[in-house]
Amino acid sequence: DAGVTQSPTHLIKTRGQQVTLRCSPKSGHDTVSWYQQALGQGPQFIFQYYEEEERQRGNFPDRFSGHQFPNYSSELNVNALLLGDSALYLCASSLGLAGSYEQYFGPGTRLTVT
Amino acid sequence: AQSVTQLDSHVSVSEGTPVLLRCNYSSSYSPSLFWYVQHPNKGLQLLLKYTSAATLVKGINGFEAEFKKSETSFHLTKPSAHMSDAAEYFCVVSTTSNTGKLIFGQGTTLQVKP
Repeated sequence: DAGVTQSPTHLIKTRGQQVTLRCSPKSGHDTVSWYQQALGQGPQFIFQYYEEEERQRGNFPDRFSGHQFPNYSSELNVNALLLGDSALYLCASSLGLAGSYEQYFGPGTRLTVT
Repeated sequence: AQSVTQLDSHVSVSEGTPVLLRCNYSSSYSPSLFWYVQHPNKGLQLLLKYTSAATLVKGINGFEAEFKKSETSFHLTKPSAHMSDAAEYFCVVSTTSNTGKLIFGQGTTLQVKP
């Protein structure tokens, strides 16, 4: 049973560019959340998708957008990259939206903005 | 608003001695609480969760945590540390009962000395 997978593993971009990160949830899960983890910090919630809609959003600018596909996989898009966007981006999946449900995390995508 | 405070940024123990990682939470309702572990260059792994059932929660790898409402604490313990326990540990609270937005603490680095 495959867990949460993310691609690519690492990515280097230049300021002002755009990037797309991808996530496939754990088999049977229908909810995907994205988190940003800066070096030495705890992960910060970006947004959550369920039934192909953004259900909740954290304190991130509109440069951060996402999408969920009918097969429950998801993409995170970041436009007009800033140096401060350099971080580990984590995808988590769960079965349903409830706060008590366990979220399973992928290995992350390390984004470096130069 | 919900929040989590991990009281120690770094804990060092000797192999075979007990581990105590401290966490206080703030929540306006009955929270769901989690402990996650992150080994270097790996994703987050769920150790255990509390969701208003038994106040003493047992997790994987010999870890357990006790929910104390009167003290708003959810400390993580293990009777005997192993070298493989060296990692970053995050205390996490879920924001509401019907959405899965997770709020992470800043993390505690556990060092295990031989």
